[in-house]
Amino acid sequence: EPEVTQTPSHQVTQMGQEVILRCVPISNHLYFYWYRQILGQKVEFLVSFYNNEISEKSEIFDDQFSVERPDGSNFTLKIRSTKLEDSAMYFCASSDDRNTEAFFGQGTRLTVV
Amino acid sequence: AQSVSQHNHHVILSEAASLELGCNYSYGGTVNLFWYVQYPGQHLQLLLKYFSGDPLVKGIKGFEAEFIKSKFSFNLRKPSVQWSDTAEYFCAVNYGGSQGNLIFGKGTKLSVKP
Repeated sequence: EPEVTQTPSHQVTQMGQEVILRCVPISNHLYFYWYRQILGQKVEFLVSFYNNEISEKSEIFDDQFSVERPDGSNFTLKIRSTKLEDSAMYFCASSDDRNTEAFFGQGTRLTVV
Repeated sequence: AQSVSQHNHHVILSEAASLELGCNYSYGGTVNLFWYVQYPGQHLQLLLKYFSGDPLVKGIKGFEAEFIKSKFSFNLRKPSVQWSDTAEYFCAVNYGGSQGNLIFGKGTKLSVKP
């Protein structure tokens, strides 16, 4: 069964450093998303991406964040200068159409120290 | 602001007990409703979804949910739980935009005792 894969599974970084979280969506999907879940809190929408551009983003997705689909298979989330409060589980998801459900990856646990 | 509430943080049941997990969402016009499950160490998986039509939807593994528009609710049910249902359950709502722009509830942890 096709699945969304995320790497790494766990990333530890120092405050102020840049991190790139990587995702490989399901191959025929066209819509891509990032969510995050701070420990003990809700899963929160960050951004959606379609046709090589951001289609929606939340208030959380400020100038520190960016997304890219560099090569037609990967979908990355970059955090430019990490803060302690960026520590969370980051989930990538994809869907083949805006009217179908999103399939989620296993997540990357980001720890900022 | 649009929001989703799940009333129970942690539910503990014995095997064969019936399950009902509550989910309410704030009004926002047309909604699409989802229940996702996250088994320990695994990714979020879709249990069931409601877009339109019959408000009683059946999902995988014997789960079902009922959309009650007047109550803004989408409760998840299972008549007889198994130990393997131990997981965290998330209700999510899409308010008519991109299907991936889901608003999640805080989740309910279900522990089933053998």
